[in-house]
Amino acid sequence: RKEVEQDPGPFNVPEGATVAFNCTYSNSASQSFFWYRQDCRKEPKLLMSVYSSGNEDGRFTAQLNRASQYISLLIRDSKLSDSATYLCVVRSGTTDSWGKLQFGAGTQVVVTP
Amino acid sequence: SAVISQKPSRDICQRGTSLTIQCQVDSQVTMMFWYRQQPGQSLTLIATANQGSEATYESGFVIDKFPISRPNLTFSTLTVSNMSPEDSSIYLCSVRDRLNSPLHFGNGTRLTVT
Repeated sequence: RKEVEQDPGPFNVPEGATVAFNCTYSNSASQSFFWYRQDCRKEPKLLMSVYSSGNEDGRFTAQLNRASQYISLLIRDSKLSDSATYLCVVRSGTTDSWGKLQFGAGTQVVVTP
Repeated sequence: SAVISQKPSRDICQRGTSLTIQCQVDSQVTMMFWYRQQPGQSLTLIATANQGSEATYESGFVIDKFPISRPNLTFSTLTVSNMSPEDSSIYLCSVRDRLNSPLHFGNGTRLTVT
């Protein structure tokens, strides 16, 4: 079983609609969680960190469910420019160590006019 | 966040040759890493570049194939040696500067080996 798993998609979303997808992780000791966005043939860029109480950044909302070991990303009012692959990244290890980062394979989102 | 410059941004190389990729950061960073992303795949960590000492390689990667240098806290190089078509990939330099901080990536080097 992979340490970090994502539905590869694609999620085809009409412009203006809402889309949500999850990422599951296997290590219950995971400490930090992030969502990255990767455009085709570009480097991944940090979209947002995921905090225990959940957090929002504009149209993007991230949630953490430690009991079920998954994080989620919700995109409201989807724009054409939101089309990308969204990578889930999980850091395992203790709070006082660098730990190890594990990457999901990504969820592709395609926003259509 | 730090500005990370990688070069070359792309190259097409012949089988059996070597390519050195440079990564320059505009500020001192504690941790520098080299990742590979093969077509359609997620990122795989090649090694952690340690300042002033040998890099720490992940399983499946060896120093003879991927020698790494890190002479200071702002610069690192990755060499892909004796290349084969299977080495065709995107190679990414990345940095972290605090324990719980996320990873930031350079713009990547798109390598094609013919």
